[in-house]
Amino acid sequence: GAGVSQSPSNKVTEKGKDVELRCDPISGHTALYWYRQSLGQGLEFLIYFQGNSAPDKSGLPSDRFSAERTGGSVSTLTIQRTQQEDSAVYLCASSQDRGQKAFFGQGTRLTVV
Amino acid sequence: RKEVEQDPGPFNVPEGATVAFNCTYSNSASQSFFWYRQDCRKEPKLLMSVYSSGNEDGRFTAQLNRASQYISLLIRDSKLSDSATYLCVVPRSGGSYIPTFGRGTSLIVHP
Repeated sequence: GAGVSQSPSNKVTEKGKDVELRCDPISGHTALYWYRQSLGQGLEFLIYFQGNSAPDKSGLPSDRFSAERTGGSVSTLTIQRTQQEDSAVYLCASSQDRGQKAFFGQGTRLTVV
Repeated sequence: RKEVEQDPGPFNVPEGATVAFNCTYSNSASQSFFWYRQDCRKEPKLLMSVYSSGNEDGRFTAQLNRASQYISLLIRDSKLSDSATYLCVVPRSGGSYIPTFGRGTSLIVHP
């Protein structure tokens, strides 16, 4: 596609439910990043995929968070047993290769009630 | 020292003013630097890359000072539409190239 696409754009879920957030990166981009941004805060790194290498999961805040990237393209971020503190905007970005400029999707605004 | 530090501001300037932001970083091995702009409730958008020799794009100039480990962004002839948060980006230490974002500097341009 022309840009990074994320879905859904908004998600309201009940505490304790699982959610899946999707990211479709720019075609041909080998690097894919997930960040989250709480209201009024900076971007917090979550996970990084680079080609066929094992992902860098060092930013995941707990084992309730996981992500996969199938076929080197679409990525899914899963949050199990959501908590209110998980409420944030989840942003996905991709770049042609590591170290190069990254382009963001519009984000998924997650609200846990 | 934090990986990336920025003055949060806000910088409140009149239209037409020149304003400059600095961003300090701790990873001396960093190679790729960027400035992003983020509007309220929107995703960050790439403003410009920062090259060793400095670079200019219209009213915007970015500079890199490796010795002092900071990058700067200069905006000339500020417009109302420049009002936004400006994010500095450097690669995370450890050679992973993961973009690490500063907290951002808020700019408000008023008439």
